[in-house]
Amino acid sequence: QVQLQESGPGLVKPSETLSLTCTVSGGSISSYYWTWIRQPPGKGLEWIGYIYYTGSSIYYPSLKSRVTMSVDTSKKQFSLRLSSVTAADTAVYYCAREGYSDGQYYGMDVWGQGTTVTVSS
Amino acid sequence: QSVLTQPPSVSGAPGQRVTISCTGSSSNIGAGFDVHWYQQLPGTAPKLLIYANTNRPSGVPDRFSGSKSGTSASLAITGLQAEDEADYYCQSYDSSLSGSRVFGGGTKLTVL
Repeated sequence: QVQLQESGPGLVKPSETLSLTCTVSGGSISSYYWTWIRQPPGKGLEWIGYIYYTGSSIYYPSLKSRVTMSVDTSKKQFSLRLSSVTAADTAVYYCAREGYSDGQYYGMDVWGQGTTVTVSS
Repeated sequence: QSVLTQPPSVSGAPGQRVTISCTGSSSNIGAGFDVHWYQQLPGTAPKLLIYANTNRPSGVPDRFSGSKSGTSASLAITGLQAEDEADYYCQSYDSSLSGSRVFGGGTKLTVL
């Protein structure tokens, strides 16, 4: 059974960089899109972006200037960096796996438990 | 403002049928992109409920079904149970946003 686990600081100061890592266990990191989603308190889900196991990535346009994602296949980890954070970046951050094969998307079928990140001085 | 529009809330009595709509546009659902549905129970991570418009992952009861037509999609839940009380989100893809994944704003289902 594939499992995902987010890790990283729970508190980040304004203007600094938020850094999170997601560790994949129980399965391969190949052939999937590895995704970050966030959920501000009391609000809905926001897609941040994905990184493919090859290293290619797509970020949501409104966040693109501040987001960097990376993948380390040897450690079965992928990471998110979000720079110049403000209070508006306070949220629960989830990592998730999105399946894709032969032109067919299969949705985000495995999620981490989520990690709360608060931006405050 | 979410790219996909869902009603903020729906409700129904145990045993009843409810539907949740997800309305998009010509750059996402109307462009032929698939729609997925997620269920988020209070305090937990979302769970994939329906993928590629109509398909249920293993373990999801057949009380849950999905459909898609034109620029909209719908999630139907029959035989409502108390445990179905949760937030439900639709998700698709948008060509005007460089292939970004987009979510609906979410719908809170209350079982009366």
